[in-house]
Amino acid sequence: QKEVEQNSGPLSVPEGAIASLNCTYSDRVSQSFFWYRQYSGKSPELIMSIYSNGDKEDGRFTAQLNKASQYVSLLIRDSQPSDSATYLCAVNDYKLSFGAGTTVTVRA
Amino acid sequence: KAGVTQTPRYLIKTRGQQVTLSCSPISGHRSVSWYQQTPGQGLQFLFEYFSETQRNKGNFPGRFSGRQFSNSRSEMNVSTLELGDSALYLCASSMGQGESPLHFGNGTRLTVT
Repeated sequence: QKEVEQNSGPLSVPEGAIASLNCTYSDRVSQSFFWYRQYSGKSPELIMSIYSNGDKEDGRFTAQLNKASQYVSLLIRDSQPSDSATYLCAVNDYKLSFGAGTTVTVRA
Repeated sequence: KAGVTQTPRYLIKTRGQQVTLSCSPISGHRSVSWYQQTPGQGLQFLFEYFSETQRNKGNFPGRFSGRQFSNSRSEMNVSTLELGDSALYLCASSMGQGESPLHFGNGTRLTVT
């Protein structure tokens, strides 16, 4: 089983809709969780970090963490064409482990 | 505040050669991690250096090595290059605590022919 698994995309959503991205992880002792955005040909960029169970909101982004279920999610509200990118879930055990990424396309 | 700087941006090497990549972390960051990114395998952890010591290592062969200097700058070396080493090599820095996020450089695109 992979350490970090993401829902396989690609995910296509219309402009203005909510994009929902999911991630599960295998290591129960993980304490830090991150979402990165990677545009084609660019390096990953940190967009959210979450450490406690519950929701964390930052602008149009909401991260949700459920440690009991070993589940992290990212919601992108009011999706814009500029949100079209690959989103990487990352989980910290002794290193930062990344999921394979979910590619999101926002249709204008 | 300047970000993570990686040099060079692009490299073309021949099988059997060796290569050295360089990374300058964000000022004040003591941890530098290296990742390999390929379309098929995604982001794979190579190693992490903290205060000039290798703190963690991924599952890569010994041809991949690194080091960190007293100013936190880091280099990664790959010897006896293989075609499969063609990838984007990303360096990331952080404060070094478990909850600290990584901040990535722009990467070095290595092509082995």
